[in-house]
Amino acid sequence: NAGVMQNPRHLVRRRGQEARLRCSPMKGHSHVYWYRQLPEEGLKFMVYLQKENIIDESGMPKERFSAEFPKEGPSILRIQQVVRGDSAAYFCASSPRGQMTTNTIYFGEGSWLTVV
Amino acid sequence: AQSVTQLDSHVSVSEGTPVLLRCNYSSSYSPSLFWYVQHPNKGLQLLLKYTSAATLVKGINGFEAEFKKSETSFHLTKPSAHMSDAAEYFCVVSDLFSSNTGKLIFGQGTTLQVKP
Repeated sequence: NAGVMQNPRHLVRRRGQEARLRCSPMKGHSHVYWYRQLPEEGLKFMVYLQKENIIDESGMPKERFSAEFPKEGPSILRIQQVVRGDSAAYFCASSPRGQMTTNTIYFGEGSWLTVV
Repeated sequence: AQSVTQLDSHVSVSEGTPVLLRCNYSSSYSPSLFWYVQHPNKGLQLLLKYTSAATLVKGINGFEAEFKKSETSFHLTKPSAHMSDAAEYFCVVSDLFSSNTGKLIFGQGTTLQVKP
């Protein structure tokens, strides 16, 4: 049973370009979380999605960032017009049900975005 | 609101000596608490979790943590450090009951250095 798969693992973008990060949850998992880790910091919650629904996006920056989890295919975190401050590691996590049922969530290995 | 504070940003021990990584939490409810480990440029691995069962929790690789409600602490310990334990450690609380999303709230992290 493959774990949470993220790609690309490393992405370099010039300022103003778009970055797309993909996350395939573990098989059977319908809940996806995105977290961001800035240099020298812990992870910060960004968004929580179920299939075709955004449940909680309280951690998403108001502009340029969006996330989706379509009925088919991976979850995508999209960052438009990237700036240097977007350089970070972006982690995806999944769970079979919402974390509120005390299920552990499983993390992918992360996507490292570098904006030059 | 829930929060977690890791009291040491950096801990250095010699191989074979005990490890203590300190964590205090703030929560209005019975929290779920976790310790994750992150090796350089890698994803997060769950070491152990507390979810209101036994207060002494045993995890992988010889780590354990004790939930002390009176001290609002969840310190991570290991009797004897190994070189492979060198990594970043995150104490995490889940806001299971203050929201319906159960998102994870991470501490700032503690870097564990193990000297030969």
